[in-house]
Amino acid sequence: GAGVSQSPSNKVTEKGKDVELRCDPISGHTALYWYRQSLGQGLEFLIYFQGNSAPDKSGLPSDRFSAERTGGSVSTLTIQRTQQEDSAVYLCASSPSTGTSGYEQYFGPGTRLTVT
Amino acid sequence: AQTVTQSQPEMSVQEAETVTLSCTYDTSENNYYLFWYKQPPSRQMILVIRQEAYKQQNATENRFSVNFQKAAKSFSLKISDSQLGDTAMYFCAAADYNYGQNFVFGPGTRLSVLP
Repeated sequence: GAGVSQSPSNKVTEKGKDVELRCDPISGHTALYWYRQSLGQGLEFLIYFQGNSAPDKSGLPSDRFSAERTGGSVSTLTIQRTQQEDSAVYLCASSPSTGTSGYEQYFGPGTRLTVT
Repeated sequence: AQTVTQSQPEMSVQEAETVTLSCTYDTSENNYYLFWYKQPPSRQMILVIRQEAYKQQNATENRFSVNFQKAAKSFSLKISDSQLGDTAMYFCAAADYNYGQNFVFGPGTRLSVLP
């Protein structure tokens, strides 16, 4: 079946502009995660959605970052007034959260954001 | 809260040889999952292997196997017959059994397989 998809794959934007990054999770997966990965570094947790519960926003680095998940499926990560330090790869992952797979996460290919 | 530590930032191995990547974790939970993920230069994260904490038997997936020591909170990954395509970042991760949002990744180990 189809995996997790993200768009765009690459985004170059000017400092101060707003950007929207999209994630389409695997159908039926109730959990969705956003991570940020700077060049050659590990994963920085940003936000977590689980079904209809309130999202866990504890990883968002500032109030310029926000995310929503519509209808329990597609998610959009929005970064307002982008700064150069926002340049990174943004990864999305989804998880079934139940069954034999447990909390195994399935990752998308990521969006590489470059702020000039 | 869980923490995951990978003490080897970089490793290298000759093609066809065996290498072991270390991972230790800390959790107060009794039920949890452990994972190894691989991220090749193409950047797509791929699950390599998973282990349920309640299972004593070590998980194995072809050339990949783990040494799970629950008491020591250790979860190492052994790659046998290393191949050039194994060159990647490897991340160890832990997830609470009951709370999916508590999914923690280690800092990663960069593995280079040398011809």
